[in-house]
Amino acid sequence: DQQVKQNSPSLSVQEGRISILNCDYTNSMFDYFLWYKKYPAEGPTFLISISSIKDKNEDGRFTVFLNKSAKHLSLHIVPSQPGDSAVYFCAAWDGTASKLTFGTGTRLQVTL
Amino acid sequence: DTAVSQTPKYLVTQMGNDKSIKCEQNLGHDTMYWYKQDSKKFLKIMFSYNNKELIINETVPNRFSPKSPDKAHLNLHINSLELGDSAVYFCASSTNRAGRYTFGSGTRLTVV
Repeated sequence: DQQVKQNSPSLSVQEGRISILNCDYTNSMFDYFLWYKKYPAEGPTFLISISSIKDKNEDGRFTVFLNKSAKHLSLHIVPSQPGDSAVYFCAAWDGTASKLTFGTGTRLQVTL
Repeated sequence: DTAVSQTPKYLVTQMGNDKSIKCEQNLGHDTMYWYKQDSKKFLKIMFSYNNKELIINETVPNRFSPKSPDKAHLNLHINSLELGDSAVYFCASSTNRAGRYTFGSGTRLTVV
């Protein structure tokens, strides 16, 4: 009963190109969607979020798009840099339950 | 200066032992959490506390007992450790800002 899914376990992108990470969810009651970035031997760190009433949020090189009808969101990184190589977790916030549910993560490798 | 600190970082122990993991945050957050990342890299909520009160208690064996002496600390005690308890355990804290958590760097528990 995984409510947040990241179907691509890994992605490799050349430096300077766009990275697109995808996420699907099943619970229409989620209020916010978030992306976290995780380096090895560190905890996840918050990257960017989007309210369920918006369809786009941008912060520098990072943009998150939300398609509520498809229950799908994506994270775009433009341009990709080697330091972006990490595991990216999609997460969804249920304000009623005060609960954050994570996807299984996508490992992004940005190559030179 | 570490915002959320966990100790120990690594823990290797034998089956049947009892062990504790400590977590402290200096951010003034009201809510603290324990997450478990298993071998499939899935980050799953175990417990959350708000001002020392238990808020979330997912289906976790009762061998796991969280203890919050004050709102800056949330410790995790595990009795009768089993092989399946081997995982990375992350502590986190938040002000309930729609899923924006600050995570510790994790405790890798290995049960042999």
